[in-house]
Amino acid sequence: EDQVTQSPEALRLQEGESSSLNCSYTVSGLRGLFWYRQDPGKGPEFLFTLYSAGEEKEKERLKATLTKKESFLHITAPKPEDSATYLCAASSGAGSYQLTFGKGTKLSVIP
Amino acid sequence: ETGVTQSPTHLIKTRGQQVTLRCSSQSGHNTVSWYQQALGQGPQFIFQYYREEENGRGNFPPRFSGLQFPNYSSELNVNALELDDSALYLCASSTSGGNYGYTFGSGTRLTVV
Repeated sequence: EDQVTQSPEALRLQEGESSSLNCSYTVSGLRGLFWYRQDPGKGPEFLFTLYSAGEEKEKERLKATLTKKESFLHITAPKPEDSATYLCAASSGAGSYQLTFGKGTKLSVIP
Repeated sequence: ETGVTQSPTHLIKTRGQQVTLRCSSQSGHNTVSWYQQALGQGPQFIFQYYREEENGRGNFPPRFSGLQFPNYSSELNVNALELDDSALYLCASSTSGGNYGYTFGSGTRLTVV
């Protein structure tokens, strides 16, 4: 059974204090590793898709990386508006490209 | 704007009742998936439709059913509601069967009392 585990569950950072969120996955035949941002009461907002180990993608203060067992979301000099829950999801196997999500990391950035 | 619209935004139902949730996707998005997200949890896959046929299902009982229509809209139906069905229900759509990721709607918050 596919599994995605995110850590930490919650993270409080001072504005400007860089850090990383971890996503470890156990899936049979990874097709894609996805990062989403979710604000309270809203649906997940797409950030990145990574397809193979060694791949990196960047968007503003965010950078996502992928290894054969983990993905990291690096946040450089975060701002209060980066506060949200960050979800990691893996797509694998045959058939539909269903996503297996982790429970998320709730990030709070304090001014 | 996400391009995926869900209705209603909030709903309260009584245990044992039936409910229909609706989703309208972007034109050309031939794949739609439904997810259930309990409070403090990640979304859980319910099922997926590709070109109006179900092509994947998660660990949900048959009382969860769906439809996808040619106009890129879809429905999630839940019969015999239970208290544990209370959750945020998310619709996600994509092109190419979902290979390049999904766009999510804002969800329907269902409360079963």
